[in-house]
Amino acid sequence: ETGVTQTPRHLVMGMTNKKSLKCEQHLGHNAMYWYKQSAKKPLELMFVYNFKEQTENNSVPSRFSPECPNSSHLFLHLHTLQPEDSALYLCASSQEESALYNEQFFGPGTRLTVL
Amino acid sequence: GQNIDQPTEMTATEGAIVQINCTYQTSGFNGLFWYQQHAGEAPTFLSYNVLDGLEEKGRFSSFLSRSKGYSYLLLKELQMKDSASYLCAVVDSNYQLIWGAGTKLIIKP
Repeated sequence: ETGVTQTPRHLVMGMTNKKSLKCEQHLGHNAMYWYKQSAKKPLELMFVYNFKEQTENNSVPSRFSPECPNSSHLFLHLHTLQPEDSALYLCASSQEESALYNEQFFGPGTRLTVL
Repeated sequence: GQNIDQPTEMTATEGAIVQINCTYQTSGFNGLFWYQQHAGEAPTFLSYNVLDGLEEKGRFSSFLSRSKGYSYLLLKELQMKDSASYLCAVVDSNYQLIWGAGTKLIIKP
């Protein structure tokens, strides 16, 4: 495996379900990110982890709970979601947290539908 | 507030040239990224401009004018595979990315 991988690619869940999204990067990067992508809207940064420590929580509702057990893995635990949470959830990684001269590498995303 | 503006959608013909514009108003400027995103796929890096001027990479070029708060992505000799969304993102004074909503480019034969 190379680059950034995400599972599952598609997820349909009810509002009372609990599910988790998984992201793994094989690039040796130190920073990892969760983004929400909705149609015709800018990417919304949700969480940032740098060396396994959370450095950014962009006022995300508590029904989204991130976990970063090590620098290569990132999870997003989902609980009691709302239909408006339906979106593409993208994971990304970069060598450092600063965006200066520092491109981000993205996974293919999880298409989430909340019924 | 911080703002990135891009056209929502553009249409161009195979073999032609298209220019996708991006204007920004941000708290500070430390560079501008362009990413390409095919439908259902990951965004992939195209370019990063910090200084004014044009940078060319094969069929793709990116231009930056910091004084005008303006950038464009120029795609030449368009191919059907260039149909994708193109995302503009600015690095602000806190070294964080501010994203535009993306431009969906449709290529017609």
